[in-house]
Amino acid sequence: DSGVTQTPKHLITATGQRVTLRCSPRSGDLSVYWYQQSLDQGLQFLIQYYNGEERAKGNILERFSAQQFPDLHSELNLSSLELGDSALYFCASSVLGGGAVNEQFFGPGTRLTVL
Amino acid sequence: ILNVEQSPQSLHVQEGDSTNFTCSFPSSNFYALHWYRWETAKSPEALFVMTLNGDEKKKGRISATLNTKEGYSYLYIKGSQPEDSATYLCAFRSSSASKIIFGSGTRLSIRP
Repeated sequence: DSGVTQTPKHLITATGQRVTLRCSPRSGDLSVYWYQQSLDQGLQFLIQYYNGEERAKGNILERFSAQQFPDLHSELNLSSLELGDSALYFCASSVLGGGAVNEQFFGPGTRLTVL
Repeated sequence: ILNVEQSPQSLHVQEGDSTNFTCSFPSSNFYALHWYRWETAKSPEALFVMTLNGDEKKKGRISATLNTKEGYSYLYIKGSQPEDSATYLCAFRSSSASKIIFGSGTRLSIRP
């Protein structure tokens, strides 16, 4: 158990809908990262937040957005869902992330299925 | 386009043998290289974070080296055990720290 929690574990929804994935980082970690793993692709970096501020952005679609709240938990919002958005979404956290880098601890993931 | 390549794609090793595999990444704008171990049906587990050229890190039977000038990192496993069976992923982080690019992984299977 990494100490990172993600909810829900599984989510099944229809095309065009909007969902919110939630992540609670390890106690004391300031950075949260979101990743997507689709069936036909490897792990893709979406976005990083550090202490409430967006720190780095990867290949995140405009239909997706994220935020990190004052208690450091983070939410990833996916809207106008398409079949291709079906994937495993991981959250990871690390202590640092402002100007330094250290190891990331991954949560168990949320499996999103879009029908 | 930033590209991170891992080789080989898969590897079958006899228990007790040592093995190694490669992660190739852009040699410019280097910030950090991460190695992860990913078992089936689990989450990636951090092995190493490497930041300096010439870095060598070790954790038990697993070690890694880093050459940022030529853009590669090696992961070594000494005396492979069945529990080492997993996919080993590397991830390159650019100097602006704005991009994290994963390789496609090396799938390691240990034969008892």
